[in-house]
Amino acid sequence: GENVGLHLPTLSVQEGDNSIINCAYSNSASDYFIWYKQESGKGPQFIIDIRSNMDKRQGQRVTVLLNKTVKHLSLQIAATQPGDSAVYFCAESNNNAGNMLTFGGGTRLMVKP
Amino acid sequence: SQTIHQWPATLVQPVGSPLSLECTVEGTSNPNLYWYRQAAGRGLQLLFYSVGIGQISSEVPQNLSASRPQDRQFILSSKKLLLSDSGFYLCAWGTGTNEKLFFGSGTQLSVL
Repeated sequence: GENVGLHLPTLSVQEGDNSIINCAYSNSASDYFIWYKQESGKGPQFIIDIRSNMDKRQGQRVTVLLNKTVKHLSLQIAATQPGDSAVYFCAESNNNAGNMLTFGGGTRLMVKP
Repeated sequence: SQTIHQWPATLVQPVGSPLSLECTVEGTSNPNLYWYRQAAGRGLQLLFYSVGIGQISSEVPQNLSASRPQDRQFILSSKKLLLSDSGFYLCAWGTGTNEKLFFGSGTQLSVL
């Protein structure tokens, strides 16, 4: 469900290191997953998505991993840059729920120069 | 290509005043439209969604209402704002299949 009342956990990484942001979901029927990036004062932007028939998908410097057995989703950012500093949200949906996206609580990524 | 416009970007309103935030989408037909609210440093709370003109679903009871007078126009309103209505309001649209959402740039509302 929506963790709207919780303060965001923070991940702090050194510039150039790889970042891993994790997300757990509870609905085993979820079949579509998205990662969004939200910079301060802006709307969330789509980063990458993955369907439940896949366990890995790669984009430019980003990789999403899906482990359906433990209902876990992760976003890996290679060679993290200062511009990657933002809040990252995972979201899930399933066909039986009309494809309505359910958002996770978000993780704040801080990149240290 | 599709674009979403949301305005104003910032708004400061006194308690008890009315509110009207507007969102329009271009480049697509019959989108699903959404209003979310985000408190500072928090997650996204779904307020309303609409699958067509005049069709509004409310996710949480509140002091706000939504309307969809045209296919690509979504309006968030209040007759009398409360302090607790302060927040970052986001409009989004989706296609209904896969339901990847595309967000507007947001409105920062401060009720004083």
